[in-house]
Amino acid sequence: AQSVAQPEDQVNVAEGNPLTVKCTYSVSGNPYLFWYVQYPNRGLQFLLKYITGDNLVKGSYGFEAEFNKSQTSFHLKKPSALVSDSALYFCAVRPLYNQGGKLIFGQGTELSVKP
Amino acid sequence: DSGVTQTPKHLITATGQRVTLRCSPRSGDLSVYWYQQSLDQGLQFLIQYYNGEERAKGNILERFSAQQFPDLHSELNLSSLELGDSALYFCASSEQGGLYGYTFGSGTRLTVV
Repeated sequence: AQSVAQPEDQVNVAEGNPLTVKCTYSVSGNPYLFWYVQYPNRGLQFLLKYITGDNLVKGSYGFEAEFNKSQTSFHLKKPSALVSDSALYFCAVRPLYNQGGKLIFGQGTELSVKP
Repeated sequence: DSGVTQTPKHLITATGQRVTLRCSPRSGDLSVYWYQQSLDQGLQFLIQYYNGEERAKGNILERFSAQQFPDLHSELNLSSLELGDSALYFCASSEQGGLYGYTFGSGTRLTVV
């Protein structure tokens, strides 16, 4: 079965420290990978995506993610966290050959950045 | 403003009732996706339409149905509502296959009392 796992329900980081939000996936073939962020009472906002090419992808608000095919992972990173980064983060995959084009989401990781 | 418009933003209704949620996709996008977000189930894919035709179906209950109209807006109909249907319902749109990204609306929060 195709799935996405975000093993941490919550990640706590001090402001200014680097942050990592983990994501692993299980799909057939090479997927397209996405990260979205959700602020309270808001919709999902696109952060970045990996389609092909360089394994390190840079996105919005200083975030980046590294695609690791052998570990089937796509961890989200930021060198220096801000309090305003506190939100719910979702990893998602679009299997290359799936029907339609739907995204499969992980359960989400709550990021809390303390001053 | 993401370009995807969902109405209404909030909806409170009683068990057994029927509601309709509306979504207007971003200009130029032909695909519309519906997702349900609840605390215990996370983000669950319900159904996708592409240019008026159903393209993929997920864990959508038989009490739920959707359609996409010629002007590309979509409606999600929820009937015989139960308390457990209370959730955030998101609509997203994309070009044909979502290869270049998906744009989400701000959602409709449904509360069944």
